[in-house]
Amino acid sequence: KAGVTQTPRYLIKTRGQQVTLSCSPISGHRSVSWYQQTPGQGLQFLFEYFSETQRNKGNFPGRFSGRQFSNSRSEMNVSTLELGDSALYLCASSPRWGQGSETQYFGPGTRLLVL
Amino acid sequence: DQQVKQNSPSLSVQEGRISILNCDYTNSMFDYFLWYKKYPAEGPTFLISISSIKDKNEDGRFTVFLNKSAKHLSLHIVPSQPGDSAVYFCAASEGTGNQFYFGTGTSLTVIP
Repeated sequence: KAGVTQTPRYLIKTRGQQVTLSCSPISGHRSVSWYQQTPGQGLQFLFEYFSETQRNKGNFPGRFSGRQFSNSRSEMNVSTLELGDSALYLCASSPRWGQGSETQYFGPGTRLLVL
Repeated sequence: DQQVKQNSPSLSVQEGRISILNCDYTNSMFDYFLWYKKYPAEGPTFLISISSIKDKNEDGRFTVFLNKSAKHLSLHIVPSQPGDSAVYFCAASEGTGNQFYFGTGTSLTVIP
């Protein structure tokens, strides 16, 4: 089975711009979560989608949003970029939602640099 | 507030010896725990999991121990190999969703 794929792998933007990141989960997986990793902060949960609906949300401002499509692919959008948004953005997929927590499998991440 | 903590930023171990990585958590409602291994510029790779109904789970060279009363989790790697050198993250979740709280990681170096 192919793993979780994320595009693009690297991105450079300037402050004030907006960015969209894409994630394709493992085939058959229907839950997609997004995390932000910055130096010294570990991984911080952004949100989780299942059946095209946001199921959980972390403590991030409204500039961070996402969506999920009927084929379980997900996109994450960050508007009005700030320097502090520079990070590795990771997507993870799980087979199900709502039946107890499940192991998440991560993609390679998108490295975003905001100048 | 960090609900999952890995208090040792780094650990060095000789090849062939045991590596013990520790993780503490504060939320007694956490009921599912994961360990991941991560190389630079790559996503975390799942290693092993444990649910709160167990106190031990083994998979090859990797064993995870859970002490619920102490809210403490540990990963044992025996024997350690140079290829195990990476950053290790523990993660915990509660309830029905897949929202995981991660520690800040421990960088393991296995010396040949």
